[in-house]
Amino acid sequence: KAGVTQTPRYLIKTRGQQVTLSCSPISGHRSVSWYQQTPGQGLQFLFEYFSETQRNKGNFPGRFSGRQFSNSRSEMNVSTLELGDSALYLCASSSSSENSPLHFGNGTRLTVT
Amino acid sequence: EDQVTQSPEALRLQEGESSSLNCSYTVSGLRGLFWYRQDPGKGPEFLFTLYSAGEEKEKERLKATLTKKESFLHITAPKPEDSATYLCAVQAPGGNQFYFGTGTSLTVIP
Repeated sequence: KAGVTQTPRYLIKTRGQQVTLSCSPISGHRSVSWYQQTPGQGLQFLFEYFSETQRNKGNFPGRFSGRQFSNSRSEMNVSTLELGDSALYLCASSSSSENSPLHFGNGTRLTVT
Repeated sequence: EDQVTQSPEALRLQEGESSSLNCSYTVSGLRGLFWYRQDPGKGPEFLFTLYSAGEEKEKERLKATLTKKESFLHITAPKPEDSATYLCAVQAPGGNQFYFGTGTSLTVIP
């Protein structure tokens, strides 16, 4: 069974630009979550989508947005990039079962210069 | 406020030297406590889920235990390939949001 796939693996952007990250979940998983990982803060929850609907949202500014498509694939968008947005962005999928673990992709490393 | 704290931040062990990593948590209505392993340049890899105090799970040289306020990841006779960052997380009530600790970076020296 293929794991969670994230593209691209690396991105370098300039402050003020916008960026879109992509995630393909494990086949059959309908829940997709996004996390930001930085050395100082660890993993911080961004949002979670289930059947194309945002179910939960973390404490991030509105510049961070996402969506989920009917095939469960998800995208995350960050507009007006700031230097502090440099991080590893991780996508995770989980099954619909109660208390299912998250299964992570290898992330997109975003560097904002 | 729901919170997860891991200690120590970093741990260096000689090969074969057993030790434990700690994860303390405060969450209203624990739905599950999860342990992950993360290697450099990769996403976290799921290891265990614990649901109730007293529960234990084992996998090779790793054993996870859970009390009402903390979880321990015991590493018995570690090998260099056990070197990684170990993360714990709790699942928030009423959704699929997880709170993660900042991890313990484990280095096992041959």
